[in-house]
Amino acid sequence: QKEVEQNSGPLSVPEGAIASLNCTYSDRGSQSFFWYRQYSGKSPELIMSIYSNGDKEDGRFTAQLNKASQYVSLLIRDSQPSDSATYLCAVSWQAGTALIFGKGTTLSVSS
Amino acid sequence: GAVVSQHPSWVICKSGTSVKIECRSLDFQATTMFWYRQFPKQSLMLMATSNEGSKATYEQGVEKDKFLINHASLTLSTLTVTSAHPEDSSFYICSARDLAGRSYNEQFFGPGTRLTVL
Repeated sequence: QKEVEQNSGPLSVPEGAIASLNCTYSDRGSQSFFWYRQYSGKSPELIMSIYSNGDKEDGRFTAQLNKASQYVSLLIRDSQPSDSATYLCAVSWQAGTALIFGKGTTLSVSS
Repeated sequence: GAVVSQHPSWVICKSGTSVKIECRSLDFQATTMFWYRQFPKQSLMLMATSNEGSKATYEQGVEKDKFLINHASLTLSTLTVTSAHPEDSSFYICSARDLAGRSYNEQFFGPGTRLTVL
């Protein structure tokens, strides 16, 4: 059974702080890793994708991948109240296959 | 990014009726689309993989005779919930990949359809 684990939270950070979201996955052969943001009542929105070990930065977001530890993280710098949402970690075991989602971490950024 | 639409965005129906949900890729062709279901406070659960021109592949525990999937063209997949019951009330979301696009490995989600069965 392929699994993706996330801490459900809620994770609360003050405005301007760094939010750190973590995810682990069970299948060592996983190839593609994604972070989605989902606002209440809406569908997921892709924030970051990462395929190789190391860091990938895009604006205020940095995704980190460590395949040896089967660990993916998302850092959000200068957190804003508008970042308050549920963040879903998703993993694809083979290119082109469906995504397996974690249960999501709820982030709350207070102003 | 590629755009995926769904229709309707919400639907309320009586128990025992059937409901059809459409998923369209608006600016790309999608040979494969995916259908997910999300219950309140839970994550997305994959229901089935829809393949253009062939039968859908259903995940374990998903009744193929209850959730009919048709992927008749490269831009349209439909999910029909047959003989709907209150326990089928959920948020149904489709996604698709733009194989010819730059982000070919990424999945783009439709806005979702909220189904309420009375």
